[in-house]
Amino acid sequence: DADVTQTPRNRITKTGKRIMLECSQTKGHDRMYWYRQDPGLGLRLIYYSFDVKDINKGEISDGYSVSRQAQAKFSLSLESAIPNQTALYFCATSGGSSEKLFFGSGTQLSVL
Amino acid sequence: GESVGLHLPTLSVQEGDNSIINCAYSNSASDYFIWYKQESGKGPQFIIDIRSNMDKRQGQRVTVLLNKTVKHLSLQIAATQPGDSAVYFCAEIFTGGGNKLTFGTGTQLKVEL
Repeated sequence: DADVTQTPRNRITKTGKRIMLECSQTKGHDRMYWYRQDPGLGLRLIYYSFDVKDINKGEISDGYSVSRQAQAKFSLSLESAIPNQTALYFCATSGGSSEKLFFGSGTQLSVL
Repeated sequence: GESVGLHLPTLSVQEGDNSIINCAYSNSASDYFIWYKQESGKGPQFIIDIRSNMDKRQGQRVTVLLNKTVKHLSLQIAATQPGDSAVYFCAEIFTGGGNKLTFGTGTQLKVEL
């Protein structure tokens, strides 16, 4: 079983719809992250959470929100999806004194 | 702002040859660097890391070199195999200030048989 699991793996939706991407981890890490990947732009940080009561905006948080339901769960929501949110989304975790990130397999989101 | 960049977007090598993937970083305060490998349809996977108090670190078939003078990082893959075909990202961070990893845009490594 994967240490960092993302659901769904693929999603096609329409403009204006609300979408939730989910992430769960079994690594026992306290820190969780959501990244977006676009061709030629690398990985950009959307939101991150250092523990259940801590939520922080990343560099591209507009149009997104998150919820840290438990230490092991961190979900990303698009309240009203728009086409330029079409991208590959990754959840990642890190723990202890290490900055090393462990990534899920990604969710490919297409907004029509 | 600070950025991490790669010199070449695509690198093609023959199977069995050595590969060298380069990365330039701009934040002279960065003190920890990571190389990730991303295969098609998968998330990035950790390959090797290095701290700024070192200039070389070796793993299994991979070596990372750090030149702080010119702010340059490289990943060397020995005896490149078809399974090494992937996109490789470097990432940097200054660990002293609650910062986050900054990723480069990636280099596509293609291994030709």
